[in-house]
Parts: sequence; structure tokens; C-alpha cells
Amino acid sequence: GAVVSQHPSRVICKSGTSVKIECRSLDFQATTMFWYRQFPKQSLMLMATSNEGSKATYEQGVEKDKFLINHASLTLSTLTVTSAHPEDSSFYICSAGGGLYGQYFGPGTRLTVT
Amino acid sequence: EDKVVQSPLSLVVHEGDTVTLNCSYEVTNFRSLLWYKQEKKAPTFLFMLTSSGIEKKSGRLSSILDKKELFSILNITATQTGDSAVYLCAVEARSGGSNYKLTFGKGTLLTVNP
Repeated sequence: GAVVSQHPSRVICKSGTSVKIECRSLDFQATTMFWYRQFPKQSLMLMATSNEGSKATYEQGVEKDKFLINHASLTLSTLTVTSAHPEDSSFYICSAGGGLYGQYFGPGTRLTVT
Repeated sequence: EDKVVQSPLSLVVHEGDTVTLNCSYEVTNFRSLLWYKQEKKAPTFLFMLTSSGIEKKSGRLSSILDKKELFSILNITATQTGDSAVYLCAVEARSGGSNYKLTFGKGTLLTVNP
């Protein structure tokens, strides 16, 4: 089946720094990728839809200047958390695909901001 | 706003029991309903349902969708401790243009005791 990878799997950063998370589709091309955030014991919340070659579409309440998304190729989307704060600590998950086969999720990135 | 409601939020059973998890939804431009299993990491795909009244089955798991009443159930028979996880229901719907997005329910935490 389709595989989606994420890197890094875990990252700890200091407050005020920026962190970049990569999402790659390994054996298929993805014109659309999705970024989710999941807080402990809560469900996945869609942050934004990443479209190859165009601007991302952000969900209501998600700051586009804080969560920068770049989808420069058909196999790679990146999420940069800028000026991270402790409240940004969360599990970030990307997915790709869709249509008849559902979305394939990456393994997730656990971000801890100290 | 699209809404997905799962019940119960948590459930504790003994090995061998049969469980039924519920998912109701209110969305516009519905395309499909998906069930995922989430353990410690990202969700893993279980079923995608698009047509009403057709049961999908995989081993001890089965699911059915009722598009008229806007709900789905996930059944697990002869539960095992390895079935312990959070089960997420998500509905895929058009979000604008040709894009589709998933809206997740809060999940049902299933604990299967030996």
C-alpha cells in the first residue's frame, strides 16, 4: 500500500525557535497533502490542506503566518512552526492520497517546545 | 460546519466480547465515511464506506453505513487485547473546488481486558 513518511519523528525545541517537519509520499505522487494536529486524548484536527504548486488552504483559527506550509513537489510537503511556544507542543500528522483509497497517514511528529 | 459524533467515548470489555461503536454525522457534500484504528502513533486505515447498506468486513471487524439516517457502526467480534486502541470515525466531504477533507470524531477508546 501507499506509504507516507514524516521527519523528524520527535523534536524538542526552545521557545521562540522555528521547526520544520517534512511529509513525503514514498511511492505515489500527491497533489494534495493534509496537516493535522492532535493534542493528548483529543481527536485529529485538520490544520490545512497543502496543494502542490499553490498556496495552502488553512482551516478557521489556524494562523497561516505561524504555520508555514510549502508543497514544492508532488512528493513533499513541509510544515514550519515559526516562533514556537509551549502551547504548540502537540502531535503533528500529515496525510496524502484520498479519493477511492482514503487518506494514508504519516507516522506523526511529536513536537515539544520548552 | 461539518460534525462527526462518536459514541461511546470509552468502553471497557473482556476478551471474547463483541462491541459496537457508533458514529453519526452531519456534513454537506458527503463523499465517504472512514474508520481508523489509532494506537500510539498515527491512525491506520480500517474501512471506507461510500454506499448505504453494504457491509464491509475484514476478519473480526465489520462496518456498515446508513446514509439516510447519517450514521455508521463498527463491530468487533471476539475481541482480543490487541484490539485495545482508539477507533476514529471520519467523514470525507468536499471542502471547496475539487478538494476534499476529513472531519474526525473524538474517537472511542476501547480497552479489552484479558
